[in-house]
Amino acid sequence: NAGVMQNPRHLVRRRGQEARLRCSPMKGHSHVYWYRQLPEEGLKFMVYLQKENIIDESGMPKERFSAEFPKEGPSILRIQQVVRGDSAAYFCASSPVTEETQYFGPGTRLLVL
Amino acid sequence: DQQVKQNSPSLSVQEGRISILNCDYTNSMFDYFLWYKKYPAEGPTFLISISSIKDKNEDGRFTVFLNKSAKHLSLHIVPSQPGDSAVYFCAASENTGNQFYFGTGTSLTVIP
Repeated sequence: NAGVMQNPRHLVRRRGQEARLRCSPMKGHSHVYWYRQLPEEGLKFMVYLQKENIIDESGMPKERFSAEFPKEGPSILRIQQVVRGDSAAYFCASSPVTEETQYFGPGTRLLVL
Repeated sequence: DQQVKQNSPSLSVQEGRISILNCDYTNSMFDYFLWYKKYPAEGPTFLISISSIKDKNEDGRFTVFLNKSAKHLSLHIVPSQPGDSAVYFCAASENTGNQFYFGTGTSLTVIP
C-alpha cells in the first residue's frame, strides 16, 4: 500500500507566478489535509477536504490560496501570485474515515525567488 | 496563538539512556494526541497516539503519558538509539474538529 504521494518534491517559482502542489492520498483514504511548515516553526493546519468538498479551510490565507480534491485525481493546493513569504514546506496528510490518525506525505518544498 | 507547545527545542541523550520529550497544551477540549517523528527532507511519520480516556499508552520502546489536569503529555523512549535522532512533534485535536495543532518540535540527538 503506497503511502501519501506528493509532487513535486521541490518547486521554485518567481514572485507573481503560480504554484500547484499535488497530493495523492493513501489508497482507501478519503480525507486530505494540507499543512504548512515555515522555517523554525511547527506545522500549521491550512485546509481539510473530502472528495469534492472543502470541510474546513480555517487555516487558509484569505487570498491567493485555494484547494480542491476532485472526484478523480489528486488534491491540489494552488497558490496564485506567489510572494517570498510563501516559501515553506507544504505537507499533505490523509486519513481513512474510521481513523483519526493522519499519515503524511514527504512534502513539497516551495522556494519563491 | 500556539495551543500546543514544546518548550525544549533540542535534547541530547546518551545511547541506551531514556529520552523524555515534553509537550504542553492550552485547550481543554483536546482529546486526542499524537507524536510524530520527522527526519530532514521527509514528512512526519506517525509514532504513537493516546486518547484522553487513557493516561498511558505503550508501544515497544515508546511510551506516551498524558496528564489531563496539567495539560501535559510526554514521550519516553527507552532505551534510546542513534536512529531515534530526529525532530519530534506532538499534535492534538478536538473530538469535533479534524485539524491537528502541532507543537514547534524538539530535535532529539542520541549520542552513540
